[in-house]
Amino acid sequence: GAGVSQSPSNKVTEKGKDVELRCDPISGHTALYWYRQSLGQGLEFLIYFQGNSAPDKSGLPSDRFSAERTGGSVSTLTIQRTQQEDSAVYLCASSPGGQSYEQYFGPGTRLTVT
Amino acid sequence: QKEVEQDPGPLSVPEGAIVSLNCTYSNSAFQYFMWYRQYSRKGPELLMYTYSSGNKEDGRFTAQVDKSSKYISLFIRDSQPSDSATYLCATDNYGQNFVFGPGTRLSVLP
Repeated sequence: GAGVSQSPSNKVTEKGKDVELRCDPISGHTALYWYRQSLGQGLEFLIYFQGNSAPDKSGLPSDRFSAERTGGSVSTLTIQRTQQEDSAVYLCASSPGGQSYEQYFGPGTRLTVT
Repeated sequence: QKEVEQDPGPLSVPEGAIVSLNCTYSNSAFQYFMWYRQYSRKGPELLMYTYSSGNKEDGRFTAQVDKSSKYISLFIRDSQPSDSATYLCATDNYGQNFVFGPGTRLSVLP
């Protein structure tokens, strides 16, 4: 079946502009995660959605970052007033929920802030 | 102390070798253990997951968990150049606290 998809695959933006990154999770998965991965670094947790519960935003690095998940499916990560340090690969993952916790990742969006 | 520790490598082995990749974790509440493979410029790909101590085998891959020593391993038999990637371990407490290791970069030389 279809895996997690993300768009765009690459995004180049000027410092100070806003960007929106989209994630389409695997159909039926109740949990959705956003991570950031800088060059040669590990995964940095950003935000977690589980069903209709309030999201866990504890990983968001600043109030310039926000995310929403509409209808328990598609999610959008928004970065306002982008800075050069926001340049990274943004990865989305979904998980079946219930008694299954393994995460399935999308290909990522490579964001470059110039 | 980081919650999950992993030697970043790089680890280089000849084709056909047995590869051992290891992680340690500090939180005894972790119950679910995963290994991911990440090729350059790609998202992590789930290789194996388990929630019990002992071994789990899938083809050339064996995941081993020792909860008493908080140690998890991934063994790759008959390694191939196509196995060259970064391997990430991950642990979780029933979806409450998902933590990834920093990854080990593996190169299998033909």
